[in-house]
Amino acid sequence: KNEVEQSPQNLTAQEGEFITINCSYSVGISALHWLQQHPGGGIVSLFMLSSGKKKHGRLIATINIQEKHSSLHITASHPRDSAVYICAVDGMEYGNKLVFGAGTILRVKS
Amino acid sequence: KAGVTQTPRYLIKTRGQQVTLSCSPISGHRSVSWYQQTPGQGLQFLFEYFSETQRNKGNFPGRFSGRQFSNSRSEMNVSTLELGDSALYLCASSVTGGFQGEQYFGPGTRLTVT
Repeated sequence: KNEVEQSPQNLTAQEGEFITINCSYSVGISALHWLQQHPGGGIVSLFMLSSGKKKHGRLIATINIQEKHSSLHITASHPRDSAVYICAVDGMEYGNKLVFGAGTILRVKS
Repeated sequence: KAGVTQTPRYLIKTRGQQVTLSCSPISGHRSVSWYQQTPGQGLQFLFEYFSETQRNKGNFPGRFSGRQFSNSRSEMNVSTLELGDSALYLCASSVTGGFQGEQYFGPGTRLTVT
């Protein structure tokens, strides 16, 4: 079964800390998405990656295709970063549909 | 540009009934995909439509169906509702088909089946 694994499941950080969330997948992919979901349900797409690294503000996403692994980093974390972070992959071996990780619940305390 | 809209936002139905949910994509987006989110199973792909054609379907029973209209608006229908269908149903739109472009999600429809 082709799976997407995220770690950690839960993460509590102090404001200002550097945060890393990891995502591993089992077979080749076409693209990997990082999503943010706030309480209430709305989902925002943060990044879409097929290789390398992308940066937007305090968020950085990297992907290592050979190791089948991606990381989402948040620098100088802030309480407003508290949310669920979800990775999702797409590819022929995943049936050409988005397959989601279980999500990482992040709480940033002030 | 207006975002993805979903109607209704909240819905309560009884077991055995059917329900239709609507999703209006961002103007110019031709792809609409649907997802079910539950506490137990997380986010799961339901189906994707592009230019009125279903491109892909997830592992859901035939009670779950959908369609897309010529203006790219999409509807999904669930017949013979079961308690386990209670979930947040999300749709997303993108410019092109497939998932190698940015996905824009709607706010979701929260369905409760009693």
